[in-house]
Amino acid sequence: DAGITQSPRHKVTETGTPVTLRCHQTENHRYMYWYRQDPGHGLRLIHYSYGVKDTDKGEVSDGYSVSRSKTEDFLLTLESATSSQTSVYFCAISESEQGGRLNTEAFFGQGTRLTVV
Amino acid sequence: AQKITQTQPGMFVQEKEAVTLDCTYDTSDQSYGLFWYKQPSSGEMIFLIYQGSYDEQNATEGRYSLNFQKARKSANLVISASQLGDSAMYFCAMSSAPNSGGYQKVTFGTGTKLQVIP
Repeated sequence: DAGITQSPRHKVTETGTPVTLRCHQTENHRYMYWYRQDPGHGLRLIHYSYGVKDTDKGEVSDGYSVSRSKTEDFLLTLESATSSQTSVYFCAISESEQGGRLNTEAFFGQGTRLTVV
Repeated sequence: AQKITQTQPGMFVQEKEAVTLDCTYDTSDQSYGLFWYKQPSSGEMIFLIYQGSYDEQNATEGRYSLNFQKARKSANLVISASQLGDSAMYFCAMSSAPNSGGYQKVTFGTGTKLQVIP
């Protein structure tokens, strides 16, 4: 299994508070992603990173920021949590080429269940 | 922009029968990868199978095969001899980077919930 660890695994927070989720990888993969999963929407990309200090927005980035100061760590921050950000958050990693294959699959962390009350 | 469409929100299959889960995609990128994930009720995302856009043969992994029809932009998952443990949510996904340069994104469909009936 790919070495990806998300922390915390579960969190309950109050509306208006900042929250940071951490993703740590031991695979030295270039790309890291944050997704949120909601019923009926599948997995939607929040932000992604293509290198240290290199990040870009996904399709649902409003209200979220990210940072990647080291290859292995990718942080997702909810600047002021709202109830609409209650969701399951997944971190994933991938490489553009691996074992002769291009555009290879992403490997996922275990997910973080965030509840904003 | 990439787009993945899964039109079957839910499906039932009898145990030991085969089932096909549909996936269509849209991209202008020439090189891309297509894959399927399984998400059981426990929540983890399990990678099942990969198909490269330049691969001429359909991918197979045990009981899973990917029916890749490039001209139709479809990448259906076929599960043979269904088992009760196959009951789960299944996601189709695509990975690509823009032809003009840029960075790799991985895009998912909305998923199909498969239930295997004894």
